Amino acid sequence: QSVLTQPPSVSAAPGQKVTISCSGSTSNIGNHYVSWYQQLPGTAPKLLIYDNNNRPSGIPDRFSGSKSGTSATLGITGLQTGDEADYYCGTWDSSLRAGVFGGGTELTVL
Amino acid sequence: QLQLQESGPGLVNPSETLSLTCTVSGDSISSSIYYWGWIRQSPGKGLEWIGTVSHSGTTYYYPSLKSRVTISVDTSKNQFSLKLTSVTAADTAVYYCARGRLQFDWFDPWGQGTLVSVSS
Repeated sequence: QSVLTQPPSVSAAPGQKVTISCSGSTSNIGNHYVSWYQQLPGTAPKLLIYDNNNRPSGIPDRFSGSKSGTSATLGITGLQTGDEADYYCGTWDSSLRAGVFGGGTELTVL
Repeated sequence: QLQLQESGPGLVNPSETLSLTCTVSGDSISSSIYYWGWIRQSPGKGLEWIGTVSHSGTTYYYPSLKSRVTISVDTSKNQFSLKLTSVTAADTAVYYCARGRLQFDWFDPWGQGTLVSVSS
């Protein structure tokens, strides 16, 4: 049982938009920055979004992040088959005094 | 270009100690403002934050692992390491090292990961 809650899977057609939610509490998302990671099959995770809504250099603007209260959302527009991956949210939890990740969401581009 | 590379045994006996090293190239751990972390992923499962260490040696560990984990930094070798004692099959995972901001604002980049199996 992860501290942060993500849907196990989402799917959409190529070219469409999808959102992935990440739900937490005031001890984590509510008071700390959220980051998002993309993990392509068989590879290490890669940072997609940091500080809730910022993209590292090289990440296309098709990827966006937002946060409201104790929830965060990753948005992906113009879906491509190459976006099929697992996506994870992460943040600091001040009650645990530890980092926490969501359980991950598998994206399928139909 | 910053790169991280994990190294260590791929097989550890139950009840023994898992030891991994992360070698950092392209940045100096001792002069860095960043933290250095370990994350693991059991087969078919999600990411699990293990802990982080600063260049000065300040550490943070996940509570359920705290009694068994030690993360340390060797600035002379530009490396940081993970030790996990009394391992069981539940510790079988791919272990990643990564650079982070503070204890965990984000991790970037990540090493390629190394699979450690716990079995006799």
